[in-house]
Amino acid sequence: SQKIEQNSEALNIQEGKTATLTCNYTNYSPAYLQWYRQDPGRGPVFLLLIRENEKEKRKERLKVTFDTTLKQSLFHITASQPADSATYLCALEGRGSTLGRLYFGRGTQLTVWP
Amino acid sequence: NAGVMQNPRHLVRRRGQEARLRCSPMKGHSHVYWYRQLPEEGLKFMVYLQKENIIDESGMPKERFSAEFPKEGPSILRIQQVVRGDSAAYFCASSPLPGTGGRGKYNQPQHFGDGTRLSIL
Repeated sequence: SQKIEQNSEALNIQEGKTATLTCNYTNYSPAYLQWYRQDPGRGPVFLLLIRENEKEKRKERLKVTFDTTLKQSLFHITASQPADSATYLCALEGRGSTLGRLYFGRGTQLTVWP
Repeated sequence: NAGVMQNPRHLVRRRGQEARLRCSPMKGHSHVYWYRQLPEEGLKFMVYLQKENIIDESGMPKERFSAEFPKEGPSILRIQQVVRGDSAAYFCASSPLPGTGGRGKYNQPQHFGDGTRLSIL
């Protein structure tokens, strides 16, 4: 099974700066790597998905990169705002018989202070 | 998280009782996934169901836990004879295709409900 590590359990940055979160995985490269946001007491909310043949994906202030050689994804939030404060989860989907199963990291808790 | 509805939001049970958690997927979604989030741990896959079928239950404990997704009605996660270690947040997700789908560029990620927080006294 996959093991996903998200470094920095907590990340504190000042408003306006760029937050960079890291996700590393072991074993096989997934077909898709996904990032979710989770607020306290709520379920994960999908943010971005990147395929194994894509290097980078952007959506407004969010950017995701995917390096299958390093087995790593970076998640960037530019011009961060206090409203971006949340826990961010990296998830990989299984292949073959484990298709549909998402493997999650423990998350990085981001705090953006004014 | 509008769309995937889970109830109850909070459930308190005494040891030995049964817990039934319900999940109504988003409209048009026939694939349902259950995950468990223990305190200070990440989300862990439990079971993947399609209407009237269990596709993958390899993440579910062999005893006391069962899941179903009938032709009509919500998906149910059932925990019999609950123990303190069952205390956790249980999340349901749904998608219209198996997994994220791989056809063309239209991927369909899983959409999550807000979970049921189960507390065992």
